[in-house]
Amino acid sequence: NAGVTQTPKFQVLKTGQSMTLQCAQDMNHEYMSWYRQDPGMGLRLIHYSVGAGITDQGEVPNGYNVSRSTTEDFPLRLLSAAPSQTSVYFCASRGPGQTLYNEQFFGPGTRLTVL
Amino acid sequence: RKEVEQDPGPFNVPEGATVAFNCTYSNSASQSFFWYRQDCRKEPKLLMSVYSSGNEDGRFTAQLNRASQYISLLIRDSKLSDSATYLCVVRGYSGGYQKVTFGTGTKLQVIP
Repeated sequence: NAGVTQTPKFQVLKTGQSMTLQCAQDMNHEYMSWYRQDPGMGLRLIHYSVGAGITDQGEVPNGYNVSRSTTEDFPLRLLSAAPSQTSVYFCASRGPGQTLYNEQFFGPGTRLTVL
Repeated sequence: RKEVEQDPGPFNVPEGATVAFNCTYSNSASQSFFWYRQDCRKEPKLLMSVYSSGNEDGRFTAQLNRASQYISLLIRDSKLSDSATYLCVVRGYSGGYQKVTFGTGTKLQVIP
């Protein structure tokens, strides 16, 4: 199993550009989520999905869109990049949502810089 | 007040030392608790879950105190390879979905 994969690993954008961060998992997990990690702050939830076709907003959703057309894929779209979106982005997945102690697996992250 | 609070450190300890980290959480309805380890410029990985009765995994011991709303991680006989940031993670239900809250992490540096 590859686990959770993310592409690209690094990206530099100019303000106003749009792009999609890719995330895929091969563990047949229902629950997938996107986090951003900034210095001095914990991981913050951007969007999450509890299954194909179902997405919802997390703590910091503004400026981002997601979709979940398959169980495996959960792309994150930046609509119009801003310097405040410079961050490290992690995609994560885990098994059935009602289980309290199921492990959450993270992808290797995407380091995004917006100039 | 942050939902999950940790001492950011860094904790600089010599090899072989015992070190303890604490984490406090504000939501008394929180249901499950974890310690994750994050190496520099890497993704977080599960170190251990924290159960009500406390649990041990080799040199690592985790404790949960629901009354005082804190969890702890004890590392005995520290190794150089233990150098990392340790994230406290708390899960509970909020508005119908399972909310996961991360602490900002405690940095550990084990010195030769």
